Amino acid sequence: GDSVTQMEGPVTLSEEAFLTINCTYTATGYPSLFWYVQYPGEGLQLLLKATKADDKGSNKGFEATYRKETTSFHLEKGSVQVSDSAVYFCARTTNTGNQFYFGTGTSLTVIP
Amino acid sequence: SQTIHQWPATLVQPVGSPLSLECTVEGTSNPNLYWYRQAAGRGLQLLFYSVGIGQISSEVPQNLSASRPQDRQFILSSKKLLLSDSGFYLCAWRRSAGQSYEQYFGPGTRLTVT
Repeated sequence: GDSVTQMEGPVTLSEEAFLTINCTYTATGYPSLFWYVQYPGEGLQLLLKATKADDKGSNKGFEATYRKETTSFHLEKGSVQVSDSAVYFCARTTNTGNQFYFGTGTSLTVIP
Repeated sequence: SQTIHQWPATLVQPVGSPLSLECTVEGTSNPNLYWYRQAAGRGLQLLFYSVGIGQISSEVPQNLSASRPQDRQFILSSKKLLLSDSGFYLCAWRRSAGQSYEQYFGPGTRLTVT
């Protein structure tokens, strides 16, 4: 089965709206969790990460908390900007840490 | 600081032609290296990864191959391209030592097979 499941997109929000992109994972151990962002025509950039339960990753106003009890790592931002328009990928490490399992990506468009 | 380069940035190739994409990393040694493909509107598919010179793991059977001739150089090749090879190819690296698992991505190569 899928190791990382993201909410389906596309998501369209008005500027200054609250953003949540859901991400859940399946794992037998305790993987590290990541959010990456991809702007059009570019590679992926690391947005934030969390390495153990209850860790909160944060960067550029985005936050995500590693919830072991619900196996989730939802991405949130209190007030989105037009410049946040991008595709967001949730990922977790494999048990060895050598590879990632990526979600399918969620496209976000923020309109003025 | 570390940087990762990919070239070419874009490529248009006819079906049946060969392919060579190159990825190099600067500022680190003995990185783990990865090749991903991203088809239009889709997620990332891991193609190959390498934990050292000459060590290649293939994740998906296909007509592509990878090589690592030097510590910080990773090459993706094909002898004969198919239409289905079109996509956005991303190279990534991560530190091989320690507990830091994040991967860092290059700018990508847009390949169109015609």
